Amino acid sequence: GEDVEQSLFLSVREGDSSVINCTYTDSSSTYLYWYKQEPGAGLQLLTYIFSNMDMKQDQRLTVLLNKKDKHLSLRIADTQTGDSAIYFCAFRDNFNKFYFGSGTKLNVKP
Amino acid sequence: DTAVSQTPKYLVTQMGNDKSIKCEQNLGHDTMYWYKQDSKKFLKIMFSYNNKELIINETVPNRFSPKSPDKAHLNLHINSLELGDSAVYFCASSQDRVGAGVRTGELFFGEGSRLTVL
Repeated sequence: GEDVEQSLFLSVREGDSSVINCTYTDSSSTYLYWYKQEPGAGLQLLTYIFSNMDMKQDQRLTVLLNKKDKHLSLRIADTQTGDSAIYFCAFRDNFNKFYFGSGTKLNVKP
Repeated sequence: DTAVSQTPKYLVTQMGNDKSIKCEQNLGHDTMYWYKQDSKKFLKIMFSYNNKELIINETVPNRFSPKSPDKAHLNLHINSLELGDSAVYFCASSQDRVGAGVRTGELFFGEGSRLTVL
């Protein structure tokens, strides 16, 4: 199985960049995801990256994948108060099983 | 148009009672899941069904029994509720075969059902 670790909290000021990190143990996952969970809501897919990519950019979001170090990160540029939420990294293995990190609670101060 | 819908959203009940949570997806997905999210926000897989067949059954007390009448529905029945069952339960679905027309195979989540056992 996959062990996935994330730091639990991150606090930034509005307008700064946020970087949320995730480390994992099993490198067989083909699909890697970032989910966002707002208070009282379900998880929504934010972005994803395939394992054969190193980087993916989508507007304010940049995903970096370092396969050698088994490290996945999500950078949010120009962080807004509406970005305050819990962010989960997730992996799908070749048996269609999903593994989630513990979630990083992002707090954006005005 | 809600893709994955689950009911009820909130459930408050006494210890020892039996309760059910229902889930439906209109995405035409092959696979459905139940996840439990505890107070620390950890997400734990409980069950997974593919085309009405149980494929993942994690270490969950047998008081929890999933039922899938068809591939669009996956219900969760819990007998003899205990205090430790208090959590948010999420239903999710995914397309099993990632290929043409299915780009990413991600999980689609419902809004969650918050169960409080008193």
